[in-house]
Amino acid sequence: EVQLVQSGAEVKKPGESLKISCKASGYSFGNYWIAWVRQTPGKGLEWMGVIYPGDSETRYSPSFQGQVTISVDKSINTAYLQWSTLQASDSAMYFCARRSRGVLIGGGFDYWGHGTRVTVSS
Amino acid sequence: QSALTQPRSVSGSPGQSVTISCTGTARDVGGYNFVSWYQQHPGKGPKLIIFDVSSRPSGVPDRFSGSKSGNTASLTISGLQPEDEADYFCCSYAGSSTYSVFGGGTKVTVL
Repeated sequence: EVQLVQSGAEVKKPGESLKISCKASGYSFGNYWIAWVRQTPGKGLEWMGVIYPGDSETRYSPSFQGQVTISVDKSINTAYLQWSTLQASDSAMYFCARRSRGVLIGGGFDYWGHGTRVTVSS
Repeated sequence: QSALTQPRSVSGSPGQSVTISCTGTARDVGGYNFVSWYQQHPGKGPKLIIFDVSSRPSGVPDRFSGSKSGNTASLTISGLQPEDEADYFCCSYAGSSTYSVFGGGTKVTVL
């Protein structure tokens, strides 16, 4: 059974750093793109970027380029989303999601994590 | 403000049909046949119900169907069931810079 298990909720202060995780199981981790998606009440779902664990090729949305870093550790089937300097506007729910069929275009996001709530407040 | 436009809410009685629209531009919905739809129940992650405009993943009931005309994609739920009450989001490929854009979501209420 395919599963994406995300790390727990985080409460941080502005200026702090953060790395959240998404551990995959039930499939060949290296063969499927993993995306990160932000959800807020105001803007809904936003695609942040995607990584191919097989070779760590990464693509970022222009809206998030330079604001976050997406990475993987293939040895433990885990993808990460990282901030070096959090802002209050980063408060949101963050989902990891697998692109189906191992392709970057088409097919949709066929499996999603349960989400990680990030709260940034002084 | 989301890239794709969806109605905020739709409602219907059990057994009725509802259709949710998802309007974009020629640079996303209209330019590619890569529209997907997701169902999200409160406190859960989204679930893929339609991909590539009109294809259904295995296990998704055939009362869910998708279509597209020009810059607008649509999701139709036929024979509405109580468990269909949820938020629904559309998503489209938008080229090799943005990749994926989402709609703002539509809340489906089963009366």
